[in-house]
Amino acid sequence: EVSLVESGGGLVQPGGSLRLSCTPSGFMLSPYWMSWVRQAPGKGLEWVANIKEDGGSENYVDSVKGRFTISRDNAKNSLYLEMNSLRVEDTALYYCARETPGGACYFDCWGQGTPVTVSS
Amino acid sequence: VVMTQSPATLSVSPGEGATLSCRASQSIGRKFAWYQQKPGQTPRLLIYDASIRATGVPARFSGRGSGTEFTLTINNLQSDDFAVYYCQHYGTFGQGTRVEVK
Repeated sequence: EVSLVESGGGLVQPGGSLRLSCTPSGFMLSPYWMSWVRQAPGKGLEWVANIKEDGGSENYVDSVKGRFTISRDNAKNSLYLEMNSLRVEDTALYYCARETPGGACYFDCWGQGTPVTVSS
Repeated sequence: VVMTQSPATLSVSPGEGATLSCRASQSIGRKFAWYQQKPGQTPRLLIYDASIRATGVPARFSGRGSGTEFTLTINNLQSDDFAVYYCQHYGTFGQGTRVEVK
């Protein structure tokens, strides 16, 4: 069975930094575009960023551009999200998600999420 | 592109049918998906390319539409189907429709 496991979340003060990690089980990351999607408490889903199979292209939602960096290490079979200059509004459960082949950005495998709380 | 779902909440009795709607602010062809999220659980891909059921999704779920108007129909609602449903086009999700027990 395929799955994803996120880690690295926690409590951080506004302006602080965190690095999230995501590791798959049952498959290799290398053939897939991968995304981070977040969900604020009691709110809906918000796509955050994605990265091409080889790491050669990245996309971000406007609200995190310049603050967040998505990256991957296919040799280590891992996905990352470096989050800097964190704001209270970044508080959410952060999911990593696998995109289906074909480039339409459908998410067919999700992790359980890692919580990020930005608060003083 | 902005995705707008309606209604926000749908109250349905078990065994009945339900139709959820999603409207795109501009034409998006059929690059469109529906997800189900139960309380405390991870989202699950239900429908992609507007009408194709994902692996393991029961036939009582069906998706239709293209361009700007899309629907998700759930026939014979089971207890397991009461959840929040999100539509999606690339990096944009709708705000969700909660299907609750009437």
